[in-house]
Amino acid sequence: GQQLNQSPQSMFIQEGEDVSMNCTSSSIFNTWLWYKQDPGEGPVLLIALYKAGELTSNGRLTAQFGITRKDSFLNISASIPSDVGIYFCAGQLRAPTGGTSYGKLTFGQGTILTVHP
Amino acid sequence: DTEVTQTPKHLVMGMTNKKSLKCEQHMGHRAMYWYKQKAKKPPELMFVYSYEKLSINESVPSRFSPECPNSSLLNLHLHALQPEDSALYLCASSQGGQGAFNTQYFGPGTRLTVL
Repeated sequence: GQQLNQSPQSMFIQEGEDVSMNCTSSSIFNTWLWYKQDPGEGPVLLIALYKAGELTSNGRLTAQFGITRKDSFLNISASIPSDVGIYFCAGQLRAPTGGTSYGKLTFGQGTILTVHP
Repeated sequence: DTEVTQTPKHLVMGMTNKKSLKCEQHMGHRAMYWYKQKAKKPPELMFVYSYEKLSINESVPSRFSPECPNSSLLNLHLHALQPEDSALYLCASSQGGQGAFNTQYFGPGTRLTVL
């Protein structure tokens, strides 16, 4: 099956620094999603990308859908302590045709972010 | 509103117990999902319901039994679980369709401990 390589696995940074993480795949996706998960909580959607080459921002977060459709990156600018958590990328293929209507996500292994005040 | 709710928040059960997890969404989404997640690992898909019909069962043991009573509700019935089934169980939903319509929104999860 498809696999996503997410890097780095973990990051230890100082408050105020910028952060960059990325995901690469051996095959293409139609959608790239970035989620953040706090301990004991469910993943929260940060940014969704639906088009190759798309660059999207959400506050201090910026993400891009790679032009080859096999990669995506997430940048966080001016990190703050509440940015701490695990960040997951996820790729999704087009839903199957023939009456079904759902998506199947392939997740990266996650990037654990620690921010020192 | 992109809220998916899950109850209970925490559940402790013995290996002979029968319990159920509940998930609810009122966004009019027609696809609902159950995931299992171990600590510091990505979620693993268990089941997908599309228009209240089971569409995917990822070879999940029969001690996990999903149910979709209506388009807003998703249950996961648990029976004779093993300690290794202890995990965070996540529910998600998506509108149904292509592209943006299949973006999944997750609930807060149920932390399950099997003794």
